[in-house]
Amino acid sequence: QKEVEQDPGPLSVPEGAIVSLNCTYSNSAFQYFMWYRQYSRKGPELLMYTYSSGNKEDGRFTAQVDKSSKYISLFIRDSQPSDSATYLCAMSVDSGNTPLVFGKGTRLSVIA
Amino acid sequence: NAGVMQNPRHLVRRRGQEARLRCSPMKGHSHVYWYRQLPEEGLKFMVYLQKENIIDESGMPKERFSAEFPKEGPSILRIQQVVRGDSAAYFCASSPLGFYEQYFGPGTRLTVT
Repeated sequence: QKEVEQDPGPLSVPEGAIVSLNCTYSNSAFQYFMWYRQYSRKGPELLMYTYSSGNKEDGRFTAQVDKSSKYISLFIRDSQPSDSATYLCAMSVDSGNTPLVFGKGTRLSVIA
Repeated sequence: NAGVMQNPRHLVRRRGQEARLRCSPMKGHSHVYWYRQLPEEGLKFMVYLQKENIIDESGMPKERFSAEFPKEGPSILRIQQVVRGDSAAYFCASSPLGFYEQYFGPGTRLTVT
């Protein structure tokens, strides 16, 4: 079993839809969770980061962590064609400077 | 505030040559990480460095790969005697001391012919 599992998609939705992206993980030591957005042939861009269980909202984006289920989600409201990208979840065990463990990424297309 | 800078953006090498990839972290960031992204794969950690120190190289292949982050200048990832399997996108990330968030550069796409 991989440490971090993420459905690669592709996921195609109409403009304005609510998008749900998910990751599961096996290592219960993970405490810090991040979502990155990566456009084609670009570097990953940090979207959201959160510690432990709970929700965090930033504009149209909401990150949710359920440590009891080892499951994290990213919700995108009112999706736009500019949201079309690959979304990567990442996590680490420590609050300090430690390497991140990534999912493979989910490719999202938002159709106008 | 300039982001993480990487150069070159694209690098073509023949089998057996050396590849040198450079990374300048964001201003104020003292920690650098290198990741490799193979086609259809996620980002895989390679090495974590602070100035003049390698902190964690558990993801680095034992042969042909090395990294440094000198007191002055950028961090360098060096791949000696490249093989076709080294073709990938190599990303550098940086973070400030004590923070778990990492900020990525645009990557160097290495092609080995």
